Amino acid sequence: GQQLNQSPQSMFIQEGEDVSMNCTSSSIFNTWLWYKQDPGEGPVLLIALYKAGELTSNGRLTAQFGITRKDSFLNISASIPSDVGIYFCAGASYGKLTFGQGTILTVHP
Amino acid sequence: NAGVTQTPKFRVLKTGQSMTLLCAQDMNHEYMYWYRQDPGMGLRLIHYSVGEGTTAKGEVPDGYNVSRLKKQNFLLGLESAAPSQTSVYFCASSWTAYEQYFGPGTRLTVT
Repeated sequence: GQQLNQSPQSMFIQEGEDVSMNCTSSSIFNTWLWYKQDPGEGPVLLIALYKAGELTSNGRLTAQFGITRKDSFLNISASIPSDVGIYFCAGASYGKLTFGQGTILTVHP
Repeated sequence: NAGVTQTPKFRVLKTGQSMTLLCAQDMNHEYMYWYRQDPGMGLRLIHYSVGEGTTAKGEVPDGYNVSRLKKQNFLLGLESAAPSQTSVYFCASSWTAYEQYFGPGTRLTVT
């Protein structure tokens, strides 16, 4: 089946730093999505991207749909303690999502 | 609106026991999904439904059954639980099949 490689697996940063993470696939996706999961809760949708090359922002978050349709990137600017959590990318095709393994983000005050 | 709710929140089963997880959504979504989440493996799709009365297999369907008798409910059943089914189970629903909204999860332990 389709697989997504998400990197890095974990990040330890200082408050105020910028963060970048990415997701790559051997398959083409029609839509890319980024979710955040807080401990003990379900994932929450952050950003959805529908078009190759699209760049979309949501507050301090910016995500891009790769031009090849096989990758996506998420940037978080000026991180704050509440950014802590697991970030998942997901590629969508044929009505289903395929998820990456997640990036665990830790922010030190 | 409650969004997506799941019951129960926690459950411990013995090997061979059966149980049903209930997912309910009040957003009138057509699409509903069941995932399992294991450490380091992200979320994997078990079964899904594209509308009332329909079900389809996902990536890891073995050992599970589902039913969608009402549009707002999606049930996940384990007929004979195995330790390999110890996991956190998430239900999700969606209008478009892509922007999915998740419930809070059910943590299942099979001993």
